[in-house]
Amino acid sequence: QQQVKQSPQSLIVQKGGISIINCAYENTAFDYFPWYQQFPGKGPALLIAIRPDVSEKKEGRFTISFNKSAKQFSLHIMDSQPGDSATYFCAAGGNNNDMRFGAGTRLTVKP
Amino acid sequence: ETGVTQSPTHLIKTRGQQVTLRCSSQSGHNTVSWYQQALGQGPQFIFQYYREEENGRGNFPPRFSGLQFPNYSSELNVNALELDDSALYLCASSFGGTKYNEQFFGPGTRLTVL
Repeated sequence: QQQVKQSPQSLIVQKGGISIINCAYENTAFDYFPWYQQFPGKGPALLIAIRPDVSEKKEGRFTISFNKSAKQFSLHIMDSQPGDSATYFCAAGGNNNDMRFGAGTRLTVKP
Repeated sequence: ETGVTQSPTHLIKTRGQQVTLRCSSQSGHNTVSWYQQALGQGPQFIFQYYREEENGRGNFPPRFSGLQFPNYSSELNVNALELDDSALYLCASSFGGTKYNEQFFGPGTRLTVL
């Protein structure tokens, strides 16, 4: 059922560095691309989302870059902090309100 | 404002049994979506209820069924449990019944099938 491929599976970044997580999708009917952050024992929480009519969206230290022709999108976390250590999921929303999630990236930010 | 709550927190069942999971949506929300999250995987969409009607369904068999009540709380029922049904079940509430509306997730119910 997975139609969104996410990489890397895990990522270790030094404090202050840039974290980059990539996702690729197959279904061109997808038209909504959110990113979620999940801490252990909690449900995912929406971080930032983009629609395909724009190529980039920035909110604070978090930026989504979107390449419609390549069917790829990525999350950049600038000035990464230890508090950013969590699992990040990309997702793609298509018809039927069916939200497809990537497999997740476990980010560790070392102090 | 009360967030999304789910009950029970943990549940252990045996193969072939039936289970009911419950979700209370956030105040003001009229839409509930259910997801299954296997260990180490992303959530998989089961179905969504909007104003008490099913409003979209993922690739899950009919033994996964649901209900939404007039207060917009919801139940997920799974019949004839299988070992592969062991997972974290998440519900998410939102307002408006479309994928563009921000979904607020509950902490989940951990189901173990033995």
